Amino acid sequence: EADIYQTPRYLVIGTGKKITLECSQTMGHDKMYWYQQDPGMELHLIHYSYGVNSTEKGDLSSESTVSRIRTEHFPLTLESARPSHTSQYLCASRDRDIQYFGAGTRLSVL
Amino acid sequence: QKEVEQDPGPLSVPEGAIVSLNCTYSNSAFQYFMWYRQYSRKGPELLMYTYSSGNKEDGRFTAQVDKSSKYISLFIRDSQPSDSATYLCAMKDTGGFKTIFGAGTRLFVKA
Repeated sequence: EADIYQTPRYLVIGTGKKITLECSQTMGHDKMYWYQQDPGMELHLIHYSYGVNSTEKGDLSSESTVSRIRTEHFPLTLESARPSHTSQYLCASRDRDIQYFGAGTRLSVL
Repeated sequence: QKEVEQDPGPLSVPEGAIVSLNCTYSNSAFQYFMWYRQYSRKGPELLMYTYSSGNKEDGRFTAQVDKSSKYISLFIRDSQPSDSATYLCAMKDTGGFKTIFGAGTRLFVKA
């Protein structure tokens, strides 16, 4: 099982602000993922990483970017937030074939 | 057509009932099958994990996989109000990087 932490849990910001959602895991997992989840909808994969210095875009087009400089850290950045970015963002890390999720960040852009 | 189909519900049952949650899928390459439980405003937590076909039991929970029908099920016995949550099925092929999730079924267990 993984310990995976996301901060902040809730964020309300104005349009045009730059924000970074933090995700850290303590289990040394190489593979990490970011998902976007809207109420009653599937998890949409927006970014993933095979390991340090490896990042890929997922299935859902996203204006966010990610970095993976350290194994344990996989932050997601929005350069200029818009109301359409309002959603829940979930980070996960993978051990063998199982993904383990953080508690999520609920983002509201006004 | 989605790779994984899951009835969104909501499903409302009385306490003590047996609950059956289901997913169908189209990709015959899927070998790993998971069920996650997600409480409101929380991340999904792994509930059950099955490789290939067959049954797996853990306490009040039983997961079934029927690969010939491309159909998986999660049974909850003696359901409790604390079981009220959204249940997501998920599946993955061997060697694949991505896990495909269902949209989730919302379950309410009434006391």
